[in-house]
Amino acid sequence: NAGVTQTPKFRILKIGQSMTLQCTQDMNHNYMYWYRQDPGMGLKLIYYSVGAGITDKGEVPNGYNVSRSTTEDFPLRLELAAPSQTSVYFCASSGEEKLFFGSGTQLSVL
Amino acid sequence: GESVGLHLPTLSVQEGDNSIINCAYSNSASDYFIWYKQESGKGPQFIIDIRSNMDKRQGQRVTVLLNKTVKHLSLQIAATQPGDSAVYFCAENRHSGGGADGLTFGKGTHLIIQP
Repeated sequence: NAGVTQTPKFRILKIGQSMTLQCTQDMNHNYMYWYRQDPGMGLKLIYYSVGAGITDKGEVPNGYNVSRSTTEDFPLRLELAAPSQTSVYFCASSGEEKLFFGSGTQLSVL
Repeated sequence: GESVGLHLPTLSVQEGDNSIINCAYSNSASDYFIWYKQESGKGPQFIIDIRSNMDKRQGQRVTVLLNKTVKHLSLQIAATQPGDSAVYFCAENRHSGGGADGLTFGKGTHLIIQP
């Protein structure tokens, strides 16, 4: 079973560039999430979605945008990359409270 | 503000010994707690969960204990193996009603297994 799939695994961006982190899940989960994980820190919620067409801000949404046009896909957009966005990004989905995570995207903004 | 935290950033144990990883939480209204394991280069993986109406729950080689009086959560791993090396996170859900948007994660404890 694929579960939650994220692409790319690694990316280097220059300051001011934009990119989209892709996330798809095949578990038919309504809930999907984007987290960032900084070194030695816990996961911080960026955005989440409770279903297609519905998104909401998490704890650290500034500098990011999301969309949820289908149940399966939940892309995360960085419009103007900044060094503070250097982090590891995890997408997750859940049927209830138990999260299933993707393998992460390591992003560096230089 | 309220937070979930771990007592030790690194825990080193001998292979075969039992490991105990601790977590403190401050929101007495939290009713659901989860432990995740994160191996190097991978996403967190669910280990075990417990609801506030329980004080103990056992899985395969793992046990979670919840002490609501002192707002303390622990993860016990029996007969620790090399594959248990990872960072372990506790998380609390501060609101019910479905979804994990109310989950707050601790900073993690790095469990190191000595041969």
